Amino acid sequence: SAVISQKPSRDICQRGTSLTIQCQVDSQVTMMFWYRQQPGQSLTLIATANQGSEATYESGFVIDKFPISRPNLTFSTLTVSNMSPEDSSIYLCSVVEDGSYNSPLHFGNGTRLTVT
Amino acid sequence: AQKVTQAQTEISVVEKEDVTLDCVYETRDTTYYLFWYKQPPSGELVFLIRRNSFDEQNEISGRYSWNFQKSTSSFNFTITASQVVDSAVYFCALSDPRGYGQNFVFGPGTRLSVLP
Repeated sequence: SAVISQKPSRDICQRGTSLTIQCQVDSQVTMMFWYRQQPGQSLTLIATANQGSEATYESGFVIDKFPISRPNLTFSTLTVSNMSPEDSSIYLCSVVEDGSYNSPLHFGNGTRLTVT
Repeated sequence: AQKVTQAQTEISVVEKEDVTLDCVYETRDTTYYLFWYKQPPSGELVFLIRRNSFDEQNEISGRYSWNFQKSTSSFNFTITASQVVDSAVYFCALSDPRGYGQNFVFGPGTRLSVLP
């Protein structure tokens, strides 16, 4: 299966600052997904990142707060902007490897963000 | 709307005990897919199994087995002879055939602690 690398693996940030999370896949994929997992909670989809077009955001998430880039078929970034303690979460990048319907999602190792 | 319920928030067992993690889902689709993921303390999500709605055969993989019962909308996961390395949060997920990974719904997760 695809190898998905995320950087940084963890960070502690001050409120009001921004953090950019990188996601690198070792093969070309059409869609990449960004998820948030708040402490002790399940996964919530933030947005779908397609190469060559703007990301599609889920209800409750906006581009100004979570800008996403997808410059090519193996890379994406998620920025968490103007952070507050409520943004403390694990952020996960995921892909559907072979692009067929209902292939499993494969996940990166996640970025554990703490905002103080 | 699709929904996944994992009624067991936390389970503790002693090593070598068998344990079953429950998953109940709701969907109006006749075609759908069910998944189990494992999230160890390190944070990454590991795909364990996918099952489509037309395949009700139980599956066994080593110490892991899955029981899919459409009549009760359940997809339960049993670990036989549990080990400390099985300690993790386990997520059940549901997707429909309308997209390439955009339509995953994750349950709230069950935290399994296996004590030595």
